[in-house]
Amino acid sequence: AQKITQTQPGMFVQEKEAVTLDCTYDTSDQSYGLFWYKQPSSGEMIFLIYQGSYDEQNATEGRYSLNFQKARKSANLVISASQLGDSAMYFCAMRERDRDDKIIFGKGTRLHILP
Amino acid sequence: ETGVTQTPRHLVMGMTNKKSLKCEQHLGHNAMYWYKQSAKKPLELMFVYSLEERVENNSVPSRFSPECPNSSHLFLHLHTLQPEDSALYLCASSQDQSSGGETQYFGPGTRLLVL
Repeated sequence: AQKITQTQPGMFVQEKEAVTLDCTYDTSDQSYGLFWYKQPSSGEMIFLIYQGSYDEQNATEGRYSLNFQKARKSANLVISASQLGDSAMYFCAMRERDRDDKIIFGKGTRLHILP
Repeated sequence: ETGVTQTPRHLVMGMTNKKSLKCEQHLGHNAMYWYKQSAKKPLELMFVYSLEERVENNSVPSRFSPECPNSSHLFLHLHTLQPEDSALYLCASSQDQSSGGETQYFGPGTRLLVL
């Protein structure tokens, strides 16, 4: 079974609109961390935002926020006021601290921002 | 500007060649990672070094040989590769779990083509 599921292989969004990228995860651990990374066409993986399983507040970093719904095991990334430079692949990832401590990545969502 | 650098950025090699990929981190981290990213596959963890000791080897073929001479440098030695090894190879670093940090920061990757 997939540990990280990103159901949207591709998305097209108009510039300046907000966009939500979906991520659901599967774990029985109590302690885990959730991450979002951005990968532009250059290939580099850029860390965007982190949410710990015990964090009560949703994480925010500038235009990025993580909509953490623990009971639903959901960790959606919200990008406000999208920009053309946001076009990239976006990966959701999880690190299960109780288990083997590896980061597991989803298959990614390719986001296209339209002018 | 990323604190993790990788060289070379692009590499073309024949199946009988021997080459090495280099990764260097300037973030003061003590854990380093090699990942393989193939088309249409999730990011695959290959090797993990923590405090310069290998702690993870996800059944990677022996034609890939890692080396971590110190906490700032990581190499991936390649020999007798196959065409299916063509991929983007990403290096990452983090503080190890016992130090409290877990976010991994990635380099720009080496795009490898095996002919």
